Amino acid sequence: DTGVSQDPRHKITKRGQNVTFRCDPISEHNRLYWYRQTLGQGPEFLTYFQNEAQLEKSRLLSDRFSAERPKGSFSTLEIQRTEQGDSAMYLCASSRVEGRADTQYFGPGTRLTVL
Amino acid sequence: AQSVAQPEDQVNVAEGNPLTVKCTYSVSGNPYLFWYVQYPNRGLQFLLKYITGDNLVKGSYGFEAEFNKSQTSFHLKKPSALVSDSALYFCAVRADTGRRALTFGSGTRLQVQP
Repeated sequence: DTGVSQDPRHKITKRGQNVTFRCDPISEHNRLYWYRQTLGQGPEFLTYFQNEAQLEKSRLLSDRFSAERPKGSFSTLEIQRTEQGDSAMYLCASSRVEGRADTQYFGPGTRLTVL
Repeated sequence: AQSVAQPEDQVNVAEGNPLTVKCTYSVSGNPYLFWYVQYPNRGLQFLLKYITGDNLVKGSYGFEAEFNKSQTSFHLKKPSALVSDSALYFCAVRADTGRRALTFGSGTRLQVQP
């Protein structure tokens, strides 16, 4: 158990609906990451926060996607007007500053199915 | 741009035999390299990482990885495979400067037969 929790674990929605996922990082980890993983592929980076500041965003993060980390603790990822292509596992990871290369610890993921 | 190649979709090995899961990378600058393992319906678990120094890195559950700069490789190894090692393995890279995002390979499924 890495200590990163994600909610919900599974989400089924209809195309066009909005969905929101939550990630609670390991306590005192000030860095938080979102990735997306589709079947048969490795995770793809979406966005990264240090404390409450969103410092990196992937081109994969279209206008329909928004992420927040308002108090530098938990984070939410919202997808508006979902499309079938958004079906994937959404993974959250957290890390703390530890020298030259901090280790990202992943949560169990939220599996999104868009019908 | 950075990238990772895991040339084998699946590796089959008999229990007790040594295993190797291959990874090659491309990155601008010096690499930070990682191995993660994913069990069904679970997130990724960290195994080990290379930052600098000794080319042989030891990690969790008896796994180790060898960094080879000239071949731009970071192969995962274990001297004696267990059936419980059967899982999906991902190699990841990022440069030592710039973005913190990890770039992952497409994964290698390890099947250890009893």
